[in-house]
Amino acid sequence: GDSVTQMEGPVTLSEEAFLTINCTYTATGYPSLFWYVQYPGEGLQLLLKATKADDKGSNKGFEATYRKETTSFHLEKGSVQVSDSAVYFCALSAFNTGKLIFGQGTTLQVKP
Amino acid sequence: GAVVSQHPSWVICKSGTSVKIECRSLDFQATTMFWYRQFPKQSLMLMATSNEGSKATYEQGVEKDKFLINHASLTLSTLTVTSAHPEDSSFYICSATLSGSRNEQYFGPGTRLTVT
Repeated sequence: GDSVTQMEGPVTLSEEAFLTINCTYTATGYPSLFWYVQYPGEGLQLLLKATKADDKGSNKGFEATYRKETTSFHLEKGSVQVSDSAVYFCALSAFNTGKLIFGQGTTLQVKP
Repeated sequence: GAVVSQHPSWVICKSGTSVKIECRSLDFQATTMFWYRQFPKQSLMLMATSNEGSKATYEQGVEKDKFLINHASLTLSTLTVTSAHPEDSSFYICSATLSGSRNEQYFGPGTRLTVT
């Protein structure tokens, strides 16, 4: 079945460091791909998405490119801030069902 | 736009009692709502898919008689945990999709259930 695998955390970075969180997926067909962010005590918020191969999703300085050849959707940010500290979830949505399948989540902690 | 609310945000109940959690789409109509469960420091697990006016579709391993889902209108879905036990303690999150959109889900803030 469809699945999403993320790099294990926690990831601890200093402010202004470069961030990469790896995400790979297994799916039949052509899923849409998402990154969600969950701040402490809050629900999930959509960070960015891509619906087809080679699409780049971007928001708030974060970027991810839908790579069909490597079945990946890695999240990157050039310079993280303390306020980026949160749990990041990679997810895919199967076209025919609309169900979201989540990776296990990666905790990011940014220190001043 | 696309705001989803949940009520209550947290609840404590005694073992054996039932608890109802509401999920509302505040500014849009949602033909489909999803219910998830999240254990501490773990990912979200889809419990069921709820379509307005029809029975919910439960994921494998989720007891439909224990987790009753009702989707009575285009803006409201409810999850009732019946005869709750301590192992049902968890963070329950709902999401909703805009009518006509299959892929983008908008999430509620979640409900923390503690069963004592």
